[in-house]
Amino acid sequence: GAGVSQSPRYKVAKRGQDVALRCDPISGHVSLFWYQQALGQGPEFLTYFQNEAQLDKSGLPSDRFFAERPEGSVSTLKIQRTQQEDSAVYLCASSVVRGEVGTDTQYFGPGTRLTVL
Amino acid sequence: QKEVEQNSGPLSVPEGAIASLNCTYSDRGSQSFFWYRQYSGKSPELIMFIYSNGDKEDGRFTAQLNKASQYVSLLIRDSQPSDSATYLCASVTNYGQNFVFGPGTRLSVLP
Repeated sequence: GAGVSQSPRYKVAKRGQDVALRCDPISGHVSLFWYQQALGQGPEFLTYFQNEAQLDKSGLPSDRFFAERPEGSVSTLKIQRTQQEDSAVYLCASSVVRGEVGTDTQYFGPGTRLTVL
Repeated sequence: QKEVEQNSGPLSVPEGAIASLNCTYSDRGSQSFFWYRQYSGKSPELIMFIYSNGDKEDGRFTAQLNKASQYVSLLIRDSQPSDSATYLCASVTNYGQNFVFGPGTRLSVLP
């Protein structure tokens, strides 16, 4: 079956522009996560959803970052007034979460590489 | 602050040798642990997960967990050049919630 997909794969923005990054999770996966990965670092948690509910947004670095998942499937991460420090790879992951061992495994999409000039 | 620590490497091993990757974590409440492999420019791919103390084997990979020492390791037997990648260790405190990742260890398997 299809894995997690993300679009666009690459995005170049001028400082101050708004961007929107899209994530299509694996069909039937309840939970969806956004991570930010800087070069040479591990992924850093941003926010996560269970269905349409945003249960934790403690990792969002500022109020310029906003995420939504209105119908419990596709999610969008929006960054307003982008800054150079926002340049990173943004990874989306999903998991099925059925209460059984291993079902909280997260499967990652290919990521969106954002470069802010 | 929940932290996961890994030696950033690079760790170089000859082809056919055993590669040993280590990870420590600060949150005693961490319940489960995941190892991911990430090739340069690609997204993380799951290798295996472990919940219970002891060893868990899957093919050439063995994960080891010691909750008393807050230590997780991954052994790769018969290392191949295609195993050259960054290996990420992740912990999760509550089932279904976000992972806390370490910085990754870069492994280089020399032919």
